[in-house]
Amino acid sequence: SHDLTQPPSVSVSPGQAARIPCSGDELTKKYTYWYRQKSGQAPVMVIYEDNKRPSGIPERISASTSGTVATLIISGAQVEDEADYYCFSTVYDANQGVFGGGTKLTVL
Amino acid sequence: QVQLVESGGDLVRPGGTLRLSCAASGFSFTSRYMAWIRQTPGRGLEWIAYISGAGTLVYYADSVKGRFTVYRDNGNNIVYLEMNGLRVDDTAVYYCARDCESCYVPAAPDLWGQGTLVTVSS
Repeated sequence: SHDLTQPPSVSVSPGQAARIPCSGDELTKKYTYWYRQKSGQAPVMVIYEDNKRPSGIPERISASTSGTVATLIISGAQVEDEADYYCFSTVYDANQGVFGGGTKLTVL
Repeated sequence: QVQLVESGGDLVRPGGTLRLSCAASGFSFTSRYMAWIRQTPGRGLEWIAYISGAGTLVYYADSVKGRFTVYRDNGNNIVYLEMNGLRVDDTAVYYCARDCESCYVPAAPDLWGQGTLVTVSS
């Protein structure tokens, strides 16, 4: 299967670590990317090539990958981190993209 | 200024045709893969197409293969998405996005436009 699976929602209190998993067979062969989408806005890349941060993304956003599961970690989550988060990868040998279903992060 | 600006979204009848445009500026357009991605209202993201920098390689999602065509005008820094045989479930916000630079295979979009809304309804 080429699907990427994410939980629909994750909720944490301010200051806690938020962990958002993404699972899929493709993740053992291709990089994982993560996007943040705030309400009414276009998505923004927050992690590329499994665990690298684009410029301007705070250090408290990180990611890890183990086998078929990638995890986005937001250390010390803040209200401003509330958004939908999507994982992304490409299908090995097909050059097709695939998104996870998205996870709504609530910080309250 | 590095940006992507989509246009062309509209209300169209089922079975109809529409062409979306994406104007790029502020970066080396011809060296970049470009992507189209859509988002159904209230739902998630769906990747639908890639096109290589030279326009010679194109890849499509199974859901649009045979109905949608992606192509580019490198002289004017524009990428297009021509959509034929539109269906009600093609209703979505369509995003244009920039992908990797000088790469052999596409990677992932790193810059997105603001999107254009396509509504398919009778």
